[in-house]
Amino acid sequence: DTAVSQTPKYLVTQMGNDKSIKCEQNLGHDTMYWYKQDSKKFLKIMFSYNNKELIINETVPNRFSPKSPDKAHLNLHINSLELGDSAVYFCASSQTGLLQETQYFGPGTRLLVL
Amino acid sequence: AQKVTQAQTEISVVEKEDVTLDCVYETRDTTYYLFWYKQPPSGELVFLIRRNSFDEQNEISGRYSWNFQKSTSSFNFTITASQVVDSAVYFCALSEASGAGSYQLTFGKGTKLSVIP
Repeated sequence: DTAVSQTPKYLVTQMGNDKSIKCEQNLGHDTMYWYKQDSKKFLKIMFSYNNKELIINETVPNRFSPKSPDKAHLNLHINSLELGDSAVYFCASSQTGLLQETQYFGPGTRLLVL
Repeated sequence: AQKVTQAQTEISVVEKEDVTLDCVYETRDTTYYLFWYKQPPSGELVFLIRRNSFDEQNEISGRYSWNFQKSTSSFNFTITASQVVDSAVYFCALSEASGAGSYQLTFGKGTKLSVIP
């Protein structure tokens, strides 16, 4: 049983397109996150949601819009894709978003914008 | 300034050698947590360990050990008798308050470990 799953695993698309990445967790966690890992492997938080409510929204272009239909899902929609959006996007979850909690990561979605 | 510094970008060792991955962090909080994650070539992020700021006891798990020293703001990770399967990028991360009741995990830039057979 996969704890945190993401679809698709790979996404190749043209500049200017709109795309979505889906994330689901079956751990019963309240808090979910999106991270971006760039070509130099640097991991940075983008968003976090707790019980469908936006908690953290880092400096991310507003072309990126997270959507949480329920606490087990956090999808990432990206409008007007740009070359610089090419990266690996990781979804993660933790119990309630508190300081001491471990975040469990999905397998990542490798996005390539051509 | 980086909150989590992993000064070693890449390390290569021969199998069975011991290797230590360094992590130095910066925070003003008195309560915080430190983590290590492993990212093997397959790409997933695997949780290894969590340590709170009040517990400076070293931890050992099989061939892995961690040395937390608050005085030097370091949380180093040692692999004893390294194996090829240890080849991965290792990330150190800091969990601290980010304001308005929320908490944030900040990652270092990672150390790529290559274990040569």
